[in-house]
Amino acid sequence: DTAVSQTPKYLVTQMGNDKSIKCEQNLGHDTMYWYKQDSKKFLKIMFSYNNKELIINETVPNRFSPKSPDKAHLNLHINSLELGDSAVYFCASKLYNNSPLHFGNGTRLTVT
Amino acid sequence: AQTVTQSQPEMSVQEAETVTLSCTYDTSENNYYLFWYKQPPSRQMILVIRQEAYKQQNATENRFSVNFQKAAKSFSLKISDSQLGDTAMYFCAFMKHYNAGGTSYGKLTFGQGTILTVHP
Repeated sequence: DTAVSQTPKYLVTQMGNDKSIKCEQNLGHDTMYWYKQDSKKFLKIMFSYNNKELIINETVPNRFSPKSPDKAHLNLHINSLELGDSAVYFCASKLYNNSPLHFGNGTRLTVT
Repeated sequence: AQTVTQSQPEMSVQEAETVTLSCTYDTSENNYYLFWYKQPPSRQMILVIRQEAYKQQNATENRFSVNFQKAAKSFSLKISDSQLGDTAMYFCAFMKHYNAGGTSYGKLTFGQGTILTVHP
């Protein structure tokens, strides 16, 4: 009955590899997000989709490409991974204007 | 751009006592929303409390309450009767809504976080 689920929970990979993180929400929300939490625990928005349409694209390297096949899914693909990409990535979703974000449990990505 | 500042990197409190976490924000907007999220060591992001800027009354949720001072752009969180399970990192967050192409969407901006430790 998990509301926002991300897979995998942990991801360890080498520099230069390509990897994907999947996110699904069963809350019926229209808007989904990707946030990055760095080693200092700072949370920064990366992308947002509303009904499969990209609406927020912060200054993120184009090695990061989000994909939303439908409004319940928002996946994050990362090409040519770098050491600096190591972080915890959170997926989140939201229903309407004044509703809060509901977060997944995060994916800890470690690039070696 | 909106910024959110939490000036206390770490705080500690004895069990059963009260603690207040500070948050200030900078915006030229009149309509927005403010939130406190809790992140325990399990890494989950848990909503603690929220406040609509148009409401003058301070939000409360059981042991958690806020002191919202709109003119001062201040949004502090008070935790009463602190419990060991309150030990976590607490994030203050600001949400503004935008309109683009007929779609309204919200963008949540976080502060740097405050690590709260509750001691037995």
